[in-house]
Amino acid sequence: DQQVKQNSPSLSVQEGRISILNCDYTNSMFDYFLWYKKYPAEGPTFLISISSIKDKNEDGRFTVFLNKSAKHLSLHIVPSQPGDSAVYFCAATTGSSNTGKLIFGQGTTLQVKP
Amino acid sequence: DAGITQSPRHKVTETGTPVTLRCHQTENHRYMYWYRQDPGHGLRLIHYSYGVKDTDKGEVSDGYSVSRSKTEDFLLTLESATSSQTSVYFCAISEFSAGYTFGSGTRLTVV
Repeated sequence: DQQVKQNSPSLSVQEGRISILNCDYTNSMFDYFLWYKKYPAEGPTFLISISSIKDKNEDGRFTVFLNKSAKHLSLHIVPSQPGDSAVYFCAATTGSSNTGKLIFGQGTTLQVKP
Repeated sequence: DAGITQSPRHKVTETGTPVTLRCHQTENHRYMYWYRQDPGHGLRLIHYSYGVKDTDKGEVSDGYSVSRSKTEDFLLTLESATSSQTSVYFCAISEFSAGYTFGSGTRLTVV
């Protein structure tokens, strides 16, 4: 049972345009959400996060939006750059959990074309 | 980053042989995790540890065991490797519930 889903395996955008990556979750107990970025032959690296008490968090070109009623979050990258080409993983956890387990989605491969 | 290292980086092994992957951290973090990455499945949790000798199963733990005898080392063992365990394995560490740092991964091929 996939609790975190990224239904788009891949996305291709032109440099300078907006990239929107989507993520859905089913567990209403999740209260903290993260995005990780992964380049080939490297481990994932933290990109941005959002708590369920917020509906938006921004960090430079990256903004994450959370719609709790729809159990949906999205990552916006504006403007997109070729160096943003990577696999992006959405992850979720329950903040009250003392195990810190993150549940990841399947990932979306973003290609930004020059 | 030198905070977390995985060894080996690549390994090819035969079906039925035991394999041990090592994760070593220098950050003194309490939590350590083993994930596997497979196409179409993303990152799936195999086992995790919340302290020395304290471990628990994740969502895909069958065929794997772990040990943590020291804070800095978390070992993942495949008792008898199968082709379905061909994957890229990532170790991660954290001190708080959402602060993961990942290692660079181990690419394991079971032939």
